[in-house]
Amino acid sequence: EVHLMESGGGLVQPGGSLRISCAASGFTFSNYAMSWVRQAPGKGLEWVSSISIAGGTTYYADSVKGRFTISRDNSKSTLNLQMNSLNAEDTATYYCAKGLGPGNYYEWHYWGQGTLVTVSS
Amino acid sequence: DIQMTQSPFSLSASVGDRVTITCRASQSISRNLNWYQQKPGKAPKLLIYSASSLQSGVPSRFSGSESGTDFTLTITSLQVEDFATYYCQQSYSSPPTFGGGTKVEIE
Repeated sequence: EVHLMESGGGLVQPGGSLRISCAASGFTFSNYAMSWVRQAPGKGLEWVSSISIAGGTTYYADSVKGRFTISRDNSKSTLNLQMNSLNAEDTATYYCAKGLGPGNYYEWHYWGQGTLVTVSS
Repeated sequence: DIQMTQSPFSLSASVGDRVTITCRASQSISRNLNWYQQKPGKAPKLLIYSASSLQSGVPSRFSGSESGTDFTLTITSLQVEDFATYYCQQSYSSPPTFGGGTKVEIE
């Protein structure tokens, strides 16, 4: 059974940094593109970033480009998101999502339960 | 960016009703359209991918269709567990974008 578990969320001050992670199990992690999708409180869904199976290709939403870095450790079946220069607009629940296949970045067949990131002073 | 316009914003329905939600893309996205269901406090769940393919384990009362840039999610015979918010999402080009959501409430 596919399982994705996010961790690392919490309260951070504006301008601060945070690293969130997603532990994957139940499938061959290294065979799938992975993504982060976020949802601000009471709002809709917003794609944040995606990464290729080997980690060499990454994509970012304009709203986070230059501030966020996605990475993966296939030996540990872990997906990461390093978030710098955080602002209030980054407050959201961040979901880890598994793509359909190695080259499929934007169809998400499984999602984690999310981790809440709150940016506030 | 491709804009996804979803309607209605919300709807009230009764158990057993047939429900239709529509999503219009601002440009051609072929059949690269997915539908998700989200319940309060939970992660989204994929229902339909590639416009009309039913995700494994999803009840057959859910179906999707496409006509040009217009896409439809249909729930035949609405069940109690179907009351939720539904989102469409295009996976045709980057950035992938979502519709604003449709909240299906009990009448």
